[in-house]
Amino acid sequence: DIQMTQSPPSLSASVGDRVTITCQASEDIRKFLHWYQQRPGEAPKPLIFDASNLEAGVPSRFSGGGSGTQFTFTISNLQPEDIATYFCQQSHILPLTFGGGTKVEIK
Amino acid sequence: EVNLLESGGGLVQPGGSLRLSCAASGFTFSDYAMRWVRQAPGKGLEWVSGISGSGGSTYYADSVKGRFTISRDNSKNTLYLEMRLLRVDDTAFYYCVKDRYDFSPGGGLQVWGRGTTVAVSS
Repeated sequence: DIQMTQSPPSLSASVGDRVTITCQASEDIRKFLHWYQQRPGEAPKPLIFDASNLEAGVPSRFSGGGSGTQFTFTISNLQPEDIATYFCQQSHILPLTFGGGTKVEIK
Repeated sequence: EVNLLESGGGLVQPGGSLRLSCAASGFTFSDYAMRWVRQAPGKGLEWVSGISGSGGSTYYADSVKGRFTISRDNSKNTLYLEMRLLRVDDTAFYYCVKDRYDFSPGGGLQVWGRGTTVAVSS
């Protein structure tokens, strides 16, 4: 199985800060890396697909990049409503696997 | 509007069975692969199973292979997950998920239902 290592496990930042989360795959997954936001008590919400494509309706302060084994997810201007846990997920090879999540909090 | 509504969760004893259903609306159901993803309390996400749009191809995580069966009825726009020989570690919130495409590696998990709770306990 492809292992997805996500870091950091948690972070605390101020409103307006730029926040970056990384996801490393244990082998080459090309561009097949996706990012989800999960607010407490809610289902995951897709934000970015295929490494860098923004889902319709998602604010442009969210962005993603990378390919192969190294990927990044950035919130450029952290807002209070961005408090959530963020997960990466690969779909290059079954089984689909997820990163362990990054819990984002506001200072 | 695309909508997925899970049902069928509940409390069951170890070794028991449950059947989850997911009613889909707002899109041409048979054109898309569907999956089940679960999340144990306070834990991360785990892919459980997937099925192609036609239902002709199915895939399972090793942790459920031989115990769970995924199926779909395209005439009823409904996805199912038959769960047998349930174990305590199957306890989780189960989400029904629509792929962006029909079993392509690209596109990601595009639409998620609200989920249904499965609790396995004696």
